[in-house]
Amino acid sequence: GAGVSQTPSNKVTEKGKYVELRCDPISGHTALYWYRQSLGQGPEFLIYFQGTGAADDSGLPNDRFFAVRPEGSVSTLKIQRTERGDSAVYLCASGRAGETQYFGPGTRLLVL
Amino acid sequence: RKEVEQDPGPFNVPEGATVAFNCTYSNSASQSFFWYRQDCRKEPKLLMSVYSSGNEDGRFTAQLNRASQYISLLIRDSKLSDSATYLCVVNIRGRGSTLGRLYFGRGTQLTVWP
Repeated sequence: GAGVSQTPSNKVTEKGKYVELRCDPISGHTALYWYRQSLGQGPEFLIYFQGTGAADDSGLPNDRFFAVRPEGSVSTLKIQRTERGDSAVYLCASGRAGETQYFGPGTRLLVL
Repeated sequence: RKEVEQDPGPFNVPEGATVAFNCTYSNSASQSFFWYRQDCRKEPKLLMSVYSSGNEDGRFTAQLNRASQYISLLIRDSKLSDSATYLCVVNIRGRGSTLGRLYFGRGTQLTVWP
């Protein structure tokens, strides 16, 4: 079946701009996670959703980062006033509660 | 201190070799343990779960030592296709939630040469 999909696959933006990254989880997966991976590092947790609500957003680095999942399926990660340090691969994962997390291909964000 | 510590390598081994990776984790509340594999510019994919009793999947054997908070992965008879980054991962119960968040090590890079 279809896996986790993420769009866009690549995003180049200028410092100070606003970006939105989209994640389509595997159908039927109630849990959705966002991670960020910098070069040479493992993925770092940002936020996860159980259904429509953010069950844990303690990984968001600051208030420029926000994520929503209004209908309990697709999620959007929003970054305001982007900074060069936000450049990374943003990974989305989904799973059934408490079970294996399946990752999407990621969005490569480059902030110039 | 990072939740999961891993030697980044790189490990460069010939085909057929046996190679072992190790990692340590700092949070004794960690509940579940995994090895993920990540190919260059691709997403992480679950390789195998890790249990205290040890588990084997073909050429791959994983082991967990809860007392030492130590996780290992052994790859026997290495193949060229094993070249990848291997990520040590633990699952820690989230604050006020029944679900766990994953904590990744930085990964160990393996290159198998012919």
